[in-house]
Amino acid sequence: NAGVMQNPRHLVRRRGQEARLRCSPMKGHSHVYWYRQLPEEGLKFMVYLQKENIIDESGMPKERFSAEFPKEGPSILRIQQVVRGDSAAYFCASSVNSGENTEAFFGQGTRLTVV
Amino acid sequence: KQEVTQIPAALSVPEGENLVLNCSFTDSAIYNLQWFRQDPGKGLTSLLLIQSSQREQTSGRLNASLDKSSGRSTLYIAASQPGDSATYLCAVNNAGNMLTFGGGTRLMVKP
Repeated sequence: NAGVMQNPRHLVRRRGQEARLRCSPMKGHSHVYWYRQLPEEGLKFMVYLQKENIIDESGMPKERFSAEFPKEGPSILRIQQVVRGDSAAYFCASSVNSGENTEAFFGQGTRLTVV
Repeated sequence: KQEVTQIPAALSVPEGENLVLNCSFTDSAIYNLQWFRQDPGKGLTSLLLIQSSQREQTSGRLNASLDKSSGRSTLYIAASQPGDSATYLCAVNNAGNMLTFGGGTRLMVKP
């Protein structure tokens, strides 16, 4: 059972371009979470998705950021018109459900650099 | 709103020392608390998860305790080794696995 897979591991974008980050959850997991780690800062929750639904997006910036988790395929975090301040490590986690006794498992992250 | 604080922010110790990392949180209505390790430029490795009904968990040289009422957790590392050098993160789950992370403790174990 492969772990949470994120790709690409490293992504370089010029200012104004779009960044697409992919996350394939662990087999059997239908809950996906995205976190952002800015340089020299802690991890911050961004968004929580289930298949075809956004459950909580309270940590998402209001503009340029969107996330989806379609019925088929990986979850996508999309950043439009990237700026230097978007440079960060983006981590995805997945869990089998959101119950009290479940654990979320993290991927290795995508490191986005905006030049 | 949950806030998680880790003290100290950085710690440097000689090899072989036993050490304690501290984590405090403001909202005690938690599902569980988790300790992670993060190496520079790498992902998160889960070390220990303590459910809200538990007081402690142990794995090898690591022991994590939880005092929900006082909003505290400690990670105890016995007989530290240079390979333990990393950033240790505490994360609290209030609901739905949306974790609130502390700022981390950067540990350096000198040979």
